[in-house]
Amino acid sequence: DTGVSQDPRHKITKRGQNVTFRCDPISEHNRLYWYRQTLGQGPEFLTYFQNEAQLEKSRLLSDRFSAERPKGSFSTLEIQRTEQGDSAMYLCASSFGLHGGATGTQYFGPGTRLTVL
Amino acid sequence: KNEVEQSPQNLTAQEGEFITINCSYSVGISALHWLQQHPGGGIVSLFMLSSGKKKHGRLIATINIQEKHSSLHITASHPRDSAVYICATAYNTDKLIFGTGTRLQVFP
Repeated sequence: DTGVSQDPRHKITKRGQNVTFRCDPISEHNRLYWYRQTLGQGPEFLTYFQNEAQLEKSRLLSDRFSAERPKGSFSTLEIQRTEQGDSAMYLCASSFGLHGGATGTQYFGPGTRLTVL
Repeated sequence: KNEVEQSPQNLTAQEGEFITINCSYSVGISALHWLQQHPGGGIVSLFMLSSGKKKHGRLIATINIQEKHSSLHITASHPRDSAVYICATAYNTDKLIFGTGTRLQVFP
């Protein structure tokens, strides 16, 4: 297993365009997380899934953001009508956790760097 | 709301020095994570702890639950330790609340 992968690694788009990012977690991990990191700051939680269920969503996630994990494996994060303030590194992480239990170590992907012009 | 604060924000050291990075948080947690981030973005989990102390190679992490404080120590620091070190907390749910990180530079 090669760890958590994300695609694309870099995305440059014009304001108003839609973008979609993909995350492939470690195969036996049932939990998947999306975080956003702006320059000089620590990451901020966006949302997380246990299998295909989206269990929590941050207030940072406006209506323009949507995330899915349709088969409990890979996940996509879509941003509609991008704004310059969406420019950031979008990080995906995965872990294994028992139902109702605390998470174990989270393994991070390399991130997708989004630049909105 | 849980706030996670780290100190110092920036740290420079000479190779071989003992380094300490501190993390304080404001509410009770289920676990605290220490992570390392190299230039380019890759984040690696170093430790997850809920009590006591853990050691891995030259890295030591401690946590004091009563004082809501954790420290990360690096013994015999090396230039390859240069990175951003991030403290993050988890409280009941799985989401991590991150500090802003400590940028460490170790010079030969």
